[in-house]
Amino acid sequence: DTGVSQNPRHKITKRGQNVTFRCDPISEHNRLYWYRQTLGQGPEFLTYFQNEAQLEKSRLLSDRFSAERPKGSFSTLEIQRTEQGDSAMYLCASSLGGSDNEKLFFGSGTQLSVL
Amino acid sequence: AQSVAQPEDQVNVAEGNPLTVKCTYSVSGNPYLFWYVQYPNRGLQFLLKYITGDNLVKGSYGFEAEFNKSQTSFHLKKPSALVSDSALYFCAVRDAAAGFQKLVFGTGTRLLVSP
Repeated sequence: DTGVSQNPRHKITKRGQNVTFRCDPISEHNRLYWYRQTLGQGPEFLTYFQNEAQLEKSRLLSDRFSAERPKGSFSTLEIQRTEQGDSAMYLCASSLGGSDNEKLFFGSGTQLSVL
Repeated sequence: AQSVAQPEDQVNVAEGNPLTVKCTYSVSGNPYLFWYVQYPNRGLQFLLKYITGDNLVKGSYGFEAEFNKSQTSFHLKKPSALVSDSALYFCAVRDAAAGFQKLVFGTGTRLLVSP
């Protein structure tokens, strides 16, 4: 169990630029989640994959956000035309299916700063 | 829609004393309830969960939580606090009946254990 890995750890970008984050879940986990956390708040759900299928998507996820999980392994989260309001910590988590599927393992996150 | 309230931004306790971190929830169906802990510069870590069964749930690091359906509460407790327990604690809920995977987190409670 090497844990959930997220890259990069930090990303600074200018408003209007596109950014992409990567998440590598724990290898045997078939469920993958993206959350967003701002200072002083708890994580907010963005989207959920079971294998390669994106099964849930929050209304927080505007058209500028897109997530993929090709082949049901790693996932990417892309933000197009970034805005200052996108500045946040983007968290990825994974879990097993079945009776243990309620225990999420989180990565350390990608801190996005939009200037 | 589900929601979680953590009424205390910070809880202060002396080492060796019992601690309680409060959480109340709102869901339309049966709740799945969780506590996660966040240490500085580290990802969220699972502490414990209530799905069904005994109202008193035991978790990692000596923590436990009591599910109270009538009061819609799920308070986190530990009989004897350690300085190393100082961290940010998040309560979360999932509506089991809704069929969605998203967790709704509270805003977090900072626990400060003094020597």
